[in-house]
Amino acid sequence: AQSVSQHNHHVILSEAASLELGCNYSYGGTVNLFWYVQYPGQHLQLLLKYFSGDPLVKGIKGFEAEFIKSKFSFNLRKPSVQWSDTAEYFCAVNALWRGSTLGRLYFGRGTQLTVWP
Amino acid sequence: EAQVTQNPRYLITVTGKKLTVTCSQNMNHEYMSWYRQDPGLGLRQIYYSMNVEVTDKGDVPEGYKVSRKEKRNFPLILESPSPNQTSLYFCASSDLDRGASPLHFGNGTRLTVT
Repeated sequence: AQSVSQHNHHVILSEAASLELGCNYSYGGTVNLFWYVQYPGQHLQLLLKYFSGDPLVKGIKGFEAEFIKSKFSFNLRKPSVQWSDTAEYFCAVNALWRGSTLGRLYFGRGTQLTVWP
Repeated sequence: EAQVTQNPRYLITVTGKKLTVTCSQNMNHEYMSWYRQDPGLGLRQIYYSMNVEVTDKGDVPEGYKVSRKEKRNFPLILESPSPNQTSLYFCASSDLDRGASPLHFGNGTRLTVT
């Protein structure tokens, strides 16, 4: 089975600090990559996604992520966090086989981000 | 409005009493899936379906059943619930689109089995 690793379980930052959340996956083939965010008491929402092209992708609310194929990584970044970014962040990987989805989407265990005002 | 609707939002039941959590989507998506979310474990896939009458196991299918008789509905059935199935459950759907389409999640069902 494929695996997705998020290295930081809980990150605590002050407002205006920069953020980087790590995500590594184990699948050696073609992948589609996603970051989802879950605000307290809510369901998951898409933050950004990568499926081809420019490895630096921009998402909503000033977030971006960089796909580094050689490192099997898809780290999430934000230059300056806000209190409203307090949430849980999940990295997810969809493995492709000959161009079509295998139907399996693997999630990391999540990183809780707490931003102090 | 495009949405995935799960019912109920909260459910408390006793061990062994069969229950069904419904999931319906109005976006004509081929792909639907069920996940459970547990603290420290993230989301784990229970079952998924790539089209009507096509279902397959995810990572944690034991104790669960699903069916996909219509494109829009994908109910999750617990024939004999046990306390270790106490969890937060999410249904999700997407276009297949080579796996590039993001998932649309329902609002979740918090299940407690006593």
